[in-house]
Amino acid sequence: NAGVMQNPRHLVRRRGQEARLRCSPMKGHSHVYWYRQLPEEGLKFMVYLQKENIIDESGMPKERFSAEFPKEGPSILRIQQVVRGDSAAYFCASSQQGGHGYTFGSGTRLTVV
Amino acid sequence: EDQVTQSPEALRLQEGESSSLNCSYTVSGLRGLFWYRQDPGKGPEFLFTLYSAGEEKEKERLKATLTKKESFLHITAPKPEDSATYLCAVQAGTGNQFYFGTGTSLTVIP
Repeated sequence: NAGVMQNPRHLVRRRGQEARLRCSPMKGHSHVYWYRQLPEEGLKFMVYLQKENIIDESGMPKERFSAEFPKEGPSILRIQQVVRGDSAAYFCASSQQGGHGYTFGSGTRLTVV
Repeated sequence: EDQVTQSPEALRLQEGESSSLNCSYTVSGLRGLFWYRQDPGKGPEFLFTLYSAGEEKEKERLKATLTKKESFLHITAPKPEDSATYLCAVQAGTGNQFYFGTGTSLTVIP
């Protein structure tokens, strides 16, 4: 009974490249959330998705960031033309129903050099 | 703006020395308050959910309480393995997101 799976665990990108972060929710969970954790800061909400739908993207930067949760396969958080300020830990969480307690993955640590 | 503030930022305890962590919040329409534990390099691990003032939850050496303005995480006779960052989060109004505090880093010295 695997938990929330995120990959890769660590990702290094040069400025201007694209970063793709993947998240497979827990079995039976159809709600996925992405959060970003900057050093010395709390977790900040980015986006909430259900299968094939973005429900709430109020925390997503308007440019360069996008997210999807297709009918088949993992949820993807995509960051285009990365900059040093994108360096952070990105966590995915899933839940069985919206608005209930989450289960978090172990995160992807993105470093932009 | 909804806010969650945790104190202290860091706490060092001797093994067996009980203490409390604080989470104060200013939100409209609290739907739930959540405590998580986060170890270095890992994702937050769920501990408790509290929904209404006066509610208490316990798990081993941890006990969480909730009032209308704050929550406390009481740690009784801590052990070194309790060392971690403890995060508080609230869910409020009709939104789907959690608002997290910046956490309390707890170190328990043998």
